[in-house]
Amino acid sequence: DAKTTQPPSMDCAEGRAANLPCNHSTISGNEYVYWYRQIHSQGPQYIIHGLKNNETNEMASLIITEDRKSSTLILPHATLRDTAVYYCIVRKRSGNTGKLIFGQGTTLQVKP
Amino acid sequence: GAVVSQHPSWVICKSGTSVKIECRSLDFQATTMFWYRQFPKQSLMLMATSNEGSKATYEQGVEKDKFLINHASLTLSTLTVTSAHPEDSSFYICSARDGSEKLFFGSGTQLSVL
Repeated sequence: DAKTTQPPSMDCAEGRAANLPCNHSTISGNEYVYWYRQIHSQGPQYIIHGLKNNETNEMASLIITEDRKSSTLILPHATLRDTAVYYCIVRKRSGNTGKLIFGQGTTLQVKP
Repeated sequence: GAVVSQHPSWVICKSGTSVKIECRSLDFQATTMFWYRQFPKQSLMLMATSNEGSKATYEQGVEKDKFLINHASLTLSTLTVTSAHPEDSSFYICSARDGSEKLFFGSGTQLSVL
């Protein structure tokens, strides 16, 4: 699976949009981009995933560049409860058996 | 979304004893579950893939005789830390898919070995 690069930390003001970047320059054509987050002392939580089109759900939006070498997770109106470590992971679609390997992620601090 | 229940949430044990952690998929069947461990301020590290009805697949460097995994049913996988030592103190997390591409995680077990 392709390697990802994320900034180690970011700050965001409460109520503003949080834009979390991820570089995955070695991504291959059949690899998806997944985002998970982990709030302190809890298990990670799925946020969103996509292949090449932009995706949006009730939690966030995922913007993938046309060359697919990078993506941005957008939390439109960050709240204090969005403070967490955000992980960008690239992997092939592989059904129930596919494992997920976590990198270091980005620690997002939402400030009042 | 699907729910993965993990028990206990925290456990304290004496060095040399064994500890069992349970992971259940509450509203779906999981032929495959995954076990991770996480040290403070570090990312999750995959330990093993638990396969229902067959042997677990361990990641490189993980001792299979120390971390026993049993996946006896489609909704239950257990991780037993045998002869635990202080260096095994960590946050253990299980996960499973509900048939979709989403991976659902348990709430984790904080193990402290004295």
